[in-house]
Amino acid sequence: KAGVTQTPRYLIKTRGQQVTLSCSPISGHRSVSWYQQTPGQGLQFLFEYFSETQRNKGNFPGRFSGRQFSNSRSEMNVSTLELGDSALYLCASRWGGDSPLHFGNGTRLTVT
Amino acid sequence: AQSVTQPDIHITVSEGASLELRCNYSYGATPYLFWYVQSPGQGLQLLLKYFSGDTLVQGIKGFEAEFKRSQSSFNLRKPSVHWSDAAEYFCAVGRGGSQGNLIFGKGTKLSVKP
Repeated sequence: KAGVTQTPRYLIKTRGQQVTLSCSPISGHRSVSWYQQTPGQGLQFLFEYFSETQRNKGNFPGRFSGRQFSNSRSEMNVSTLELGDSALYLCASRWGGDSPLHFGNGTRLTVT
Repeated sequence: AQSVTQPDIHITVSEGASLELRCNYSYGATPYLFWYVQSPGQGLQLLLKYFSGDTLVQGIKGFEAEFKRSQSSFNLRKPSVHWSDAAEYFCAVGRGGSQGNLIFGKGTKLSVKP
């Protein structure tokens, strides 16, 4: 079974631009969560989606948004990029119930 | 507020020696607890999880963890470390009982001496 797939792996953007990151969950998984990982703040929760509905949202500004499609694939968007948005963005999926999260390898975003 | 503390930022052990990585959490009810491992440039791999039941949990790669409610701890152990275990280890707790919304500790980087 294929794991969580995130595209692209690396991305370089300029301040003020916007970016869209994509995540394909493990087949059959209905829930997708997104995390930001930085050396200073560590791993921080962004959002969680289940069956196209946002269930939880972390403490991030409105520039960070996401969505989930009917096939469980998810995207997150960051608008008006700032230097501090440079991070590894990790997507994770799970089936539901008591199943744990399985993470992808992340998208490394660099904002210059 | 819920939190996870990993007191050790960096640990070095010799290959073949035993390992214990510490994790303390704060949460009023029975928590969902996890240990993940991350190799450089990679995502997180689940080592083991605790939801309920037996407080000693077995995971992959020979790791185990013990949930101690009285000490609010969930320490990770391995009897004999291999060079391939060098990585960063993260303890996490489900926020508000969620399994998808996790609070992570800052991580412990493990180095293994030959």
